Amino acid sequence: DGGITQSPKYLFRKEGQNVTLSCEQNLNHDAMYWYRQDPGQGLRLIYYSQIVNDFQKGDIAEGYSVSREKKESFPLTVTSAQKNPTAFYLCASRGTWGYTFGSGTRLTVV
Amino acid sequence: AQKVTQAQTEISVVEKEDVTLDCVYETRDTTYYLFWYKQPPSGELVFLIRRNSFDEQNEISGRYSWNFQKSTSSFNFTITASQVVDSAVYFCALSEAYTGGFKTIFGAGTRLFVKA
Repeated sequence: DGGITQSPKYLFRKEGQNVTLSCEQNLNHDAMYWYRQDPGQGLRLIYYSQIVNDFQKGDIAEGYSVSREKKESFPLTVTSAQKNPTAFYLCASRGTWGYTFGSGTRLTVV
Repeated sequence: AQKVTQAQTEISVVEKEDVTLDCVYETRDTTYYLFWYKQPPSGELVFLIRRNSFDEQNEISGRYSWNFQKSTSSFNFTITASQVVDSAVYFCALSEAYTGGFKTIFGAGTRLFVKA
């Protein structure tokens, strides 16, 4: 079945550490996105990529980095520069009819 | 400016009641897309519907219906005879085309509680 796989589902990070969230899709979609969701808020765009080897900052890119070396993969690194990383992170790809979302990664800083 | 407003933060209904979730949007484009997504407690977002700006026909899919009115910039979502399984957060989204792709913003979401 085609879809998006995010891993891990839950992630705990110590302050000062970088962590990488995985996002893989087998939908053959060119565009991929990372969103952050905080309680009571909508989805805010962190980074997006329209094509391999290219990506753009979204509305809240500070403290995050991404890469897009393969069409299928769009990993997100939460760096130590991100002051408040505890949140729910959703990866998505975009096809003709809109987004397909992964099941999300819940990141908690301990 | 592009904006999506879901004024209802939380709605609580009893099973079998009808419920309408409001969505008001702002855009300067004449060509745009509107979406509704459902986010159950498990976290993933499930696509419900897409509408383009030139198609104002209302749509019904089972117990779900959508009312798109350009005159009031609204795209409301009604669940008829609600069920406990409808409990989720529902997001409305607006997507505009720009050079190189689409820009999409989401409303803050409406949390729906359906009590048995």
